[in-house]
Amino acid sequence: TQLLEQSPQFLSIQEGENLTVYCNSSSVFSSLQWYRQEPGEGPVLLVTVVTGGEVKKLKRLTFQFGDARKDSSLHITAAQPGDTGLYLCAGVINYGQNFVFGPGTRLSVLP
Amino acid sequence: DTGVSQDPRHKITKRGQNVTFRCDPISEHNRLYWYRQTLGQGPEFLTYFQNEAQLEKSRLLSDRFSAERPKGSFSTLEIQRTEQGDSAMYLCASSLDSGSGTQYFGPGTRLLVL
Repeated sequence: TQLLEQSPQFLSIQEGENLTVYCNSSSVFSSLQWYRQEPGEGPVLLVTVVTGGEVKKLKRLTFQFGDARKDSSLHITAAQPGDTGLYLCAGVINYGQNFVFGPGTRLSVLP
Repeated sequence: DTGVSQDPRHKITKRGQNVTFRCDPISEHNRLYWYRQTLGQGPEFLTYFQNEAQLEKSRLLSDRFSAERPKGSFSTLEIQRTEQGDSAMYLCASSLDSGSGTQYFGPGTRLLVL
């Protein structure tokens, strides 16, 4: 059983389109992170959210943390080929010590 | 560069050989984590250290795997008698034990067992 689910699993879009990917859990996160990973490299941190309802923006990326801290979304505006990669959500559940990852959303932005 | 570093970046070995990977965390981070990632999957937790103490090990960490962090700084992950199923990316991350617990990852060591 996945503690963290991400959807969609795969997404292929044209340059300039908008997209949203989702991260869901039945458990409460004490904090949640989004990472982007390129082939052959380690995950690179994009954002950390800790407060329910929190919205953070990073250029064309908008991250939202659900009010109940059980889900999160990542919205990309006007996607570019450089946004291509594996988007992973991860977090600490119930103030525990373990950091769990979702399976990721693999995004491909075509020029 | 004061990020997490890992060495080597790539390792090709024959089945049955032993391999050892090294991770140097961000210097002020007292927590260090090891993960394994196979193609198309998210990272899977293997083990973590708080300073030099190994506090948790996943069921994925068989008896052939051992990790150490002797001085609470760098860590090593050794795989004995490698098997083809050990082929994966091995990721190291570090964090503080306060605040959000955000983990910062190294570039990984890609292992191929022939």
